[in-house]
Amino acid sequence: GAGVSQSPSNKVTEKGKDVELRCDPISGHTALYWYRQRLGQGLEFLIYFQGNSAPDKSGLPSDRFSAERTGESVSTLTIQRTQQEDSAVYLCASSLYGEKATEAFFGQGTRLTVV
Amino acid sequence: GNSVTQMEGPVTLSEEAFLTINCTYTATGYPSLFWYVQYPGEGLQLLLKATKADDKGSNKGFEATYRKETTSFHLEKGSVQVSDSAVYFCVTKGGNTPLVFGKGTRLSVIA
Repeated sequence: GAGVSQSPSNKVTEKGKDVELRCDPISGHTALYWYRQRLGQGLEFLIYFQGNSAPDKSGLPSDRFSAERTGESVSTLTIQRTQQEDSAVYLCASSLYGEKATEAFFGQGTRLTVV
Repeated sequence: GNSVTQMEGPVTLSEEAFLTINCTYTATGYPSLFWYVQYPGEGLQLLLKATKADDKGSNKGFEATYRKETTSFHLEKGSVQVSDSAVYFCVTKGGNTPLVFGKGTRLSVIA
């Protein structure tokens, strides 16, 4: 596609339910990032898939959070047993992978509201 | 790991005023540096970048110079417009590390 696509754009879920967020990166981009942005705050790093290397999961806030990526395509971020503090916009970005990073392109985000 | 410290906002300026948003970084090696912008209701987009010392990134009248000696990448614009109202993020990336964002600076330009 022309850009990074995320779905759904909005998700309202009840506390305790599991949610899955999807990211379709730009074709050919081997690097993929997930970030979280709480209202009025900066971007909080969650996870980074970098080509064929092991993903950098150092930003995942708890074991309720996990992410998968199949090859160089779609990634899903799963939040189990959601809590109200998980409410945020979840942003995905993709880029080429290399020593001198090129531009990372961001999707429009998924706004998650836990009620 | 890498980190970024940028000027706390919000910043409110009158149209045609001079803008500076300070940004300093810590990193191992020689990271790439970026400014990203988030306009109201829109997604994050790259404003400008610099990949090595003394490089100057520029776009839409904004400039930032990669200063290795002061580990800084300050964003400047000579004459801001109302349409520049947005949140600006200073970002660093080195090697195999993810993008590291500053906390963001909200700019409001009034006519």
